[in-house]
Amino acid sequence: KAGVTQTPRYLIKTRGQQVTLSCSPISGHRSVSWYQQTPGQGLQFLFEYFSETQRNKGNFPGRFSGRQFSNSRSEMNVSTLELGDSALYLCASSLGRRGGPETQYFGPGTRLLVL
Amino acid sequence: GNSVTQMEGPVTLSEEAFLTINCTYTATGYPSLFWYVQYPGEGLQLLLKATKADDKGSNKGFEATYRKETTSFHLEKGSVQVSDSAVYFCALSDDPLSGTYKYIFGTGTRLKVLA
Repeated sequence: KAGVTQTPRYLIKTRGQQVTLSCSPISGHRSVSWYQQTPGQGLQFLFEYFSETQRNKGNFPGRFSGRQFSNSRSEMNVSTLELGDSALYLCASSLGRRGGPETQYFGPGTRLLVL
Repeated sequence: GNSVTQMEGPVTLSEEAFLTINCTYTATGYPSLFWYVQYPGEGLQLLLKATKADDKGSNKGFEATYRKETTSFHLEKGSVQVSDSAVYFCALSDDPLSGTYKYIFGTGTRLKVLA
């Protein structure tokens, strides 16, 4: 079974631009979560999508948005990039079952550098 | 709210030494507990998990026991190798009956094993 894939793996953008990151979950997984990882703040939860609906949201500004498609693939968009948005963005997928323990499986991440 | 606290790093050990990385949590209900490992330049990989009290998760010589009475999930390995050098994250997943499905990660502990 293929794992979680993320594209692109590396990105360089300049302040003020916008960026879209993509995540393809493990086949059969309906939940996709996004995290931002930085040396200073560690791993921070951005949001989670299940069946094309945002089910959970972290404490990030509205510049960070996402969506999920009917095939469970997800995209994350960051508008008006700031230097502080430079980070490793990780996507994780899980079955998304209700009432049962969930295990998240992570992709390799997209490393974004904002200049 | 729920939280995870793990010991500060870095932890530096000699090869074949005994490893303990402490993790304690605060949560309502019955969360599931996880240890993830991140090797340089990669995403997070699930190392082991436990879904109920007194469960022991184990993988690749690593073990952790879900202790509800002490709200802990300490990671141990009897004899570390240089290849174990990585960052280790403790995490919890909300009690599935809570309906929130959130994952909460600790800050990560960097382990360096010297030959």
